[in-house]
Amino acid sequence: DTEVTQTPKHLVMGMTNKKSLKCEQHMGHRAMYWYKQKAKKPPELMFVYSYEKLSINESVPSRFSPECPNSSLLNLHLHALQPEDSALYLCASSQNRGQSYGYTFGSGTRLTVV
Amino acid sequence: GENVEQHPSTLSVQEGDSAVIKCTYSDSASNYFPWYKQELGKRPQLIIDIRSNVGEKKDQRIAVTLNKTAKHFSLHITETQPEDSAVYFCAAHRSGNTPLVFGKGTRLSVIA
Repeated sequence: DTEVTQTPKHLVMGMTNKKSLKCEQHMGHRAMYWYKQKAKKPPELMFVYSYEKLSINESVPSRFSPECPNSSLLNLHLHALQPEDSALYLCASSQNRGQSYGYTFGSGTRLTVV
Repeated sequence: GENVEQHPSTLSVQEGDSAVIKCTYSDSASNYFPWYKQELGKRPQLIIDIRSNVGEKKDQRIAVTLNKTAKHFSLHITETQPEDSAVYFCAAHRSGNTPLVFGKGTRLSVIA
């Protein structure tokens, strides 16, 4: 299995809703990432997990809450989002050894906040 | 921290011509340079990468060159085809617990 699987593919939620995005990989990668991507922009890093521990939080608002239950799963819990949070949310993973490796991205969740 | 500049932001070429996208980086400790292709509505996909101990790498119609002294690297696509139309992102990385830093992207259009 050489893929990163994200669910759902599309999500429409109201500003008072609570929802979760899920990401799964079975490549044995020990680093996992959440990115936010707006149209015509590069992916913008949100969180990094390394060996299931949160290692980087890029000053993301607390309405986004990441969780890494095990080495294969990564969740992003959403609560009280704003319309400007509408974007493509990408999960990625990579090996986490001394040498650098490319990221494998999931297909993303296209989120619309109404 | 690392800063990656990418040029041009848009590029149009005729089918069959070559396309070149250039990136510069600021952190001399960066040692890994991947390129991603993102088609409309799809995920970024790694198309080629190069490490700092190599000056050039080629994979069929795609090649990447790296000049460590000048801190720049380039993507070369030869014999372009309409399916090469996409946004291309360069990135730079240094070993350790630091994430990839992406350039702002180049929208390539190949005109048939």
